[in-house]
Amino acid sequence: DTEVTQTPKHLVMGMTNKKSLKCEQHMGHRAMYWYKQKAKKPPELMFVYSYEKLSINESVPSRFSPECPNSSLLNLHLHALQPEDSALYLCASSQRDSLRPQHFGDGTRLSIL
Amino acid sequence: GQQVMQIPQYQHVQEGEDFTTYCNSSTTLSNIQWYKQRPGGHPVFLIQLVKSGEVKKQKRLTFQFGEAKKNSSLHITATQTTDVGTYFCAGRSWAGNMLTFGGGTRLMVKP
Repeated sequence: DTEVTQTPKHLVMGMTNKKSLKCEQHMGHRAMYWYKQKAKKPPELMFVYSYEKLSINESVPSRFSPECPNSSLLNLHLHALQPEDSALYLCASSQRDSLRPQHFGDGTRLSIL
Repeated sequence: GQQVMQIPQYQHVQEGEDFTTYCNSSTTLSNIQWYKQRPGGHPVFLIQLVKSGEVKKQKRLTFQFGEAKKNSSLHITATQTTDVGTYFCAGRSWAGNMLTFGGGTRLMVKP
């Protein structure tokens, strides 16, 4: 069982849809991350939130919009995605920063039609 | 930017054989972490190495951090079918606040 909960587990959406991915942790971690992972590739960092503030944005297109409402929650808002955005989206958290181990959720498998 | 390379990409072994994956960074690292991802699963943290030349063991797994803190290795003794998965190293440089993952080594074990 993972201590980082992601919903939904699967999502199929059209290119004109708007949807959100959600991530929750109750370990008191103050750093939270969004990664994108394509099949047979490593996780690719998208965003880092540190103490609820966006600290890293790895040149991600604006059709992905992160939000951190509080220290336990992390959202990823999706709009006008492209077929190449189909991937596994992983949320992770760590105690403070990348010096600490990251705990990953099960991910949301996203398919863009 | 920082690059982390892992070899080999794939490794097939017979159950009971040993396995090693190697990780090399283009820059000196402050720390390196190792993760395992089972097929269909998510990465799970295995260990973190911080000191130059550090060696850590977890049962049949031995992790090493190079003296120059630019390379690392994971060695599994007498593989079992439960070792199947992709092993990723992830390094953090002194300058940054993010982990860069290596490409991963996919281990397959024949019973």
